[in-house]
Amino acid sequence: DSGVTQTPKHLITATGQRVTLRCSPRSGDLSVYWYQQSLDQGLQFLIHYYNGEERAKGNILERFSAQQFPDLHSELNLSSLELGDSALYFCASSVDWGDSYNEQFFGPGTRLTVL
Amino acid sequence: GQNIDQPTEMTATEGAIVQINCTYQTSGFNGLFWYQQHAGEAPTFLSYNVLDGLEEKGRFSSFLSRSKGYSYLLLKELQMKDSASYLCAPREYGQNFVFGPGTRLSVLP
Repeated sequence: DSGVTQTPKHLITATGQRVTLRCSPRSGDLSVYWYQQSLDQGLQFLIHYYNGEERAKGNILERFSAQQFPDLHSELNLSSLELGDSALYFCASSVDWGDSYNEQFFGPGTRLTVL
Repeated sequence: GQNIDQPTEMTATEGAIVQINCTYQTSGFNGLFWYQQHAGEAPTFLSYNVLDGLEEKGRFSSFLSRSKGYSYLLLKELQMKDSASYLCAPREYGQNFVFGPGTRLSVLP
């Protein structure tokens, strides 16, 4: 158990809908990262927040947005869902960001299925 | 940006030794992570190299050559539970680390 929690574990929805994925980082971690992993694909970095502020953006679609709240939990919002958005969405956390050692600890993921 | 290359798939026998290679190109190297990921599960940390040489951790070792942009993960005494994907993740200064495409290892009895 990494200490990172994600809810829900599974989500099934229809095209065009909007969903929210939630992540709680390990106690003491200020950084939260979101990744998308489609079937048999690598981990695609979406976005990074540090202490409530966006720090880096990866290949995140305009239909997707995220935020980190004062209590450091984060939410990833996916809207106008398409079939191709079906994937595992991982959240990871780390103490810091940037050039320090900064190992990332991953949550169990949310499996999103768009029908 | 980074260019990371790993073999897509490898197969080995239980009890054997396997070496998973990773080559990368970065503009300012600042460390390389290896993660293990079982199918459908979260990646878990295996090792971290920032200086040249070999880091040993039980059955797993990781090697780094910064001048060659090259790292490998060495798995000894393979067990069935080692069947997983292995992700190489180099980092540039001022950037988060980027995961490579991963190598899917199958361990056969």
